Amino acid sequence: GDSVTQMEGPVTLSEEAFLTINCTYTATGYPSLFWYVQYPGEGLQLLLKATKADDKGSNKGFEATYRKETTSFHLEKGSVQVSDSAVYFCALSDYGNKLVFGAGTILRVKS
Amino acid sequence: GAGVSQTPSNKVTEKGKYVELRCDPISGHTALYWYRQSLGQGPEFLIYFQGTGAADDSGLPNDRFFAVRPEGSVSTLKIQRTERGDSAVYLCASSYGLASDTQYFGPGTRLTVL
Repeated sequence: GDSVTQMEGPVTLSEEAFLTINCTYTATGYPSLFWYVQYPGEGLQLLLKATKADDKGSNKGFEATYRKETTSFHLEKGSVQVSDSAVYFCALSDYGNKLVFGAGTILRVKS
Repeated sequence: GAGVSQTPSNKVTEKGKYVELRCDPISGHTALYWYRQSLGQGPEFLIYFQGTGAADDSGLPNDRFFAVRPEGSVSTLKIQRTERGDSAVYLCASSYGLASDTQYFGPGTRLTVL
């Protein structure tokens, strides 16, 4: 079945550091790919998405490119802030809307 | 407008009891989803409604779990004969129902089975 694997955390960075969180997927079809974020004490919210190969999703300085050849959707940000501290989930949606999530990666940004 | 709401926010029950969890989706959203999130894990799909009907219930773990959406809006997830392993955060999401639509999540109900 479909699955998502993302790098284990926690990831601890200093403010203004470069962020990469790796995500790879397995799917039978041509899924849409998502990054969701969960800030402390808040619900899951969509960060960005890409619906086809080579699409780049971007939001709030975060970017991810849908790479079909490597089945990856790595999340990047050039300069993280303390306010980016959260749990980040990579997810896919294939044939029928339900989301399949990775286990999540905790990001801690220190000032 | 208002986001997805879920009640109660916390539910503590004893093993063997019956519980109901409620979800109010965003107005106008025809699709509604239930997920379960265990500690340290990503959400796992349980069931998906398009309108009043369950379009995909392949994620329900066993027949103790049941969900309804009788009028195509509010949904109730029902768990019979609760077990300690049912303890988790139950999340509801809604969308317009088109493929790759953004799903908007509620804050979740934290269920603890003692």
